[in-house]
Amino acid sequence: DAGVTQSPTHLIKTRGQQVTLRCSPKSGHDTVSWYQQALGQGPQFIFQYYEEEERQRGNFPDRFSGHQFPNYSSELNVNALLLGDSALYLCASSFQGVTPQPQHFGDGTRLSIL
Amino acid sequence: GENVEQHPSTLSVQEGDSAVIKCTYSDSASNYFPWYKQELGKGPQLIIDIRSNVGEKKDQRIAVTLNKTAKHFSLHITETQPEDSAVYFCAASVGGTGGFKTIFGAGTRLFVKA
Repeated sequence: DAGVTQSPTHLIKTRGQQVTLRCSPKSGHDTVSWYQQALGQGPQFIFQYYEEEERQRGNFPDRFSGHQFPNYSSELNVNALLLGDSALYLCASSFQGVTPQPQHFGDGTRLSIL
Repeated sequence: GENVEQHPSTLSVQEGDSAVIKCTYSDSASNYFPWYKQELGKGPQLIIDIRSNVGEKKDQRIAVTLNKTAKHFSLHITETQPEDSAVYFCAASVGGTGGFKTIFGAGTRLFVKA
């Protein structure tokens, strides 16, 4: 049973460029959340997708956008990259329920901005 | 906005001793409290969780307690082993059928000395 998979594992971009990160959820999960984890910090919630719609959003600018596909996989897009966007980007999947559900994380994409 | 504070930031214990990590949260609507362990180069791994209608939960050497009135929750690890060395994160989730968001603490780096 495959867990959460993310691609690519590492990525190097320059300021001003755009990037797309991809996530496949754990088998059976229908909800995907994205997090940004700066070095030495806890993950920060970016947004959550369910039924192909953004359901919740954290305190991130509109440069951060996402998409969820009918097979529940998801993409995170970041436009006009800044040096401060350098971080580990984590994807987590879960079921959707009447209360928050346990999330399973992938190993992340390490994004470096030069 | 929502905030989760975690203490201590670093904890060093002797093998066999107990370790305690404490967290406080700000959003009184939070209704789910997971704890994660993150090893180097990996994504966070769920180790135990507790819901807002439960005061205490135990799983082998790990236990969590929740004080909703004080908005405090704690992780207790007994009989620590070198393989328990990692970064531990507490988190608080709020939401329901419309999706949920999860706020993480800054993490505690646990060292278990053999």
